[in-house]
Amino acid sequence: GENVEQHPSTLSVQEGDSAVIKCTYSDSASNYFPWYKQELGKGPQLIIDIRSNVGEKKDQRIAVTLNKTAKHFSLHITETQPEDSAVYFCAAPKGSGYALNFGKGTSLLVTP
Amino acid sequence: DSGVTQTPKHLITATGQRVTLRCSPRSGDLSVYWYQQSLDQGLQFLIQYYNGEERAKGNILERFSAQQFPDLHSELNLSSLELGDSALYFCASSGQGSMNTEAFFGQGTRLTVV
Repeated sequence: GENVEQHPSTLSVQEGDSAVIKCTYSDSASNYFPWYKQELGKGPQLIIDIRSNVGEKKDQRIAVTLNKTAKHFSLHITETQPEDSAVYFCAAPKGSGYALNFGKGTSLLVTP
Repeated sequence: DSGVTQTPKHLITATGQRVTLRCSPRSGDLSVYWYQQSLDQGLQFLIQYYNGEERAKGNILERFSAQQFPDLHSELNLSSLELGDSALYFCASSGQGSMNTEAFFGQGTRLTVV
């Protein structure tokens, strides 16, 4: 199987709080896990990715953690700002690795 | 701006018709991927081309076809359109033969079938 499950589907936080989005994947051979942000009327944009040889990666306010044993990975956004409001997608390679399977997305709303 | 250009941005057409969506990848990128985004199915991979050749197929219907031209731009052809084909269609490109690296998405074409 090549499914990517993503939770929650919606998330509302107050400005300054942290947000966590979780994904699980089924293919143990998967080795690349990107996160995309999609703003209204735009295409998905890569915000951070992690490869299977590391357990955590951080870029300013965003971080991703990977647990290969449990086959899940998470996106953490700290000190959220209203401009973080968007739909976030996790993804993992399809069986052959040529393309990506995407989760169903998490609609994040950051309220001032 | 991702560098991936899709035209048109919006398309409204009737059932049974045929349309062509166009994608110009980022300069130098050899791979083009087509995705369909709908509310109930999310982002679904349709097909990939690499340097003019079809490389991988996803959930693409037989009524749909694509090609990549020598200048690396790609077209997605949708025929015998049904109401359920209404969706956002995205093109993405990457420099390598897979999405195991950063892939850049265009702004999409919103197709409405009436």
